[in-house]
Amino acid sequence: QVQLQQSGPGLVKPSQTLSLTCAISGDSVSSNSAAWNWIRQSPSRGLEWLGRTYYRSKWYYDYAVSVKSRITINPDTSKNQFSLQLNSVTPEDTAVYYCTRFSEVAANFDYWGQGTLVSVSS
Amino acid sequence: DIQMTQSPSSLSASVGDRVTITCRASQSITSYLNWYQQKPGQAPKLLIYAASSLQSGVPSRFSGSGSGTDFTLTISSLQAEDFATYYCQQSYSTPQTFGQGTNLEIK
Repeated sequence: QVQLQQSGPGLVKPSQTLSLTCAISGDSVSSNSAAWNWIRQSPSRGLEWLGRTYYRSKWYYDYAVSVKSRITINPDTSKNQFSLQLNSVTPEDTAVYYCTRFSEVAANFDYWGQGTLVSVSS
Repeated sequence: DIQMTQSPSSLSASVGDRVTITCRASQSITSYLNWYQQKPGQAPKLLIYAASSLQSGVPSRFSGSGSGTDFTLTISSLQAEDFATYYCQQSYSTPQTFGQGTNLEIK
């Protein structure tokens, strides 16, 4: 059974960097049949896919256009986890952030982290 | 980006009712359509994938149909635990996009 455990601060000041980590158990961040994603949810934006990383002989990264200039997703094979960094945050980045696994076989988000409410406020 | 539009946005129903939620894609997504259920304070949970395949462990009262641009999620006989928000999501192309949600409330 795959489990995703999120960690990171729930409050970030404007213009600073939002950082979250997602620890994976029951699968590998280097899996050839999965992609590791960050999705956020807010009343104004709904469920918004932010980006992903996946390994297919080398590492790949895809990011949403809306955050492409500010986002980094990094895998950490030594700890079997992946992280999200979002720079220069504003109050519009306030949301619940989820890490998820995307199954390439079934083409769906089959496992989700517990969610982290991140508020951007001074 | 592919836009996903759900209808209705909210729905009131009673235990035992048959309920149908519709999702429309802005272009053909063949059968790359998934449905999720979300309860307050929880992450979305996968119910249906590939338009009509039931995720393991999901009750058989849930079913999905459709292909191309038009899809439906049907709950054959509502149970108390089914009152939640439902989302469709396309995995045909990146960025993967979600519908705005349908809030299923108790009448």
